[in-house]
Amino acid sequence: AQSVTQLGSHVSVSEGALVLLRCNYSSSVPPYLFWYVQYPNQGLQLLLKYTSAATLVKGINGFEAEFKKSETSFHLTKPSAHMSDAAEYFCAVGSSYKLIFGSGTRLLVRP
Amino acid sequence: DTAVSQTPKYLVTQMGNDKSIKCEQNLGHDTMYWYKQDSKKFLKIMFSYNNKELIINETVPNRFSPKSPDKAHLNLHINSLELGDSAVYFCASSHAPAGGKETQYFGPGTRLLVL
Repeated sequence: AQSVTQLGSHVSVSEGALVLLRCNYSSSVPPYLFWYVQYPNQGLQLLLKYTSAATLVKGINGFEAEFKKSETSFHLTKPSAHMSDAAEYFCAVGSSYKLIFGSGTRLLVRP
Repeated sequence: DTAVSQTPKYLVTQMGNDKSIKCEQNLGHDTMYWYKQDSKKFLKIMFSYNNKELIINETVPNRFSPKSPDKAHLNLHINSLELGDSAVYFCASSHAPAGGKETQYFGPGTRLLVL
């Protein structure tokens, strides 16, 4: 069965600091991996996805993620946090007819 | 211009009532989904439909009955509402699944509170 684990339910960074949100997956087949962002009281918006092309995936709003098969990881990074990045971030693995989500990481950005 | 829309946005109701949530997508997608987000923000698939046919029913109680009148609409009817049904319900859509790599587009959510 496929699954994803997000380490850290809350991550707090200063504005301008590096953002690192961790995601590890478990899959017996090559996974399709996604990062979604949820702003307060809104729906989910796709940040980026990995579909077995380039291992370094660039997304919207300056985010990127690197697929590392040896570490079964797909961590999300952004070089410099902005106040507007404060939100809930979800890692997910795609399975036929559904997404399987991690438990989410709340990103707090301090002024 | 909203790609995936849901109505209502908020729903407050009494235990035991029956309610419906509507979802529409204008993206021309074949596949639609319902997800439930609980109070801890955990998201879980409830149903998947492809071309109006039910594909996945993820052990959801029979009180929940989805209906897809056409490919652009997927409604969710809930009978005999219980306190534990309080959650945010998200509709999503995508092109026909290709092993899980298709992007799902989410609606804004319906916040259901059962009193």
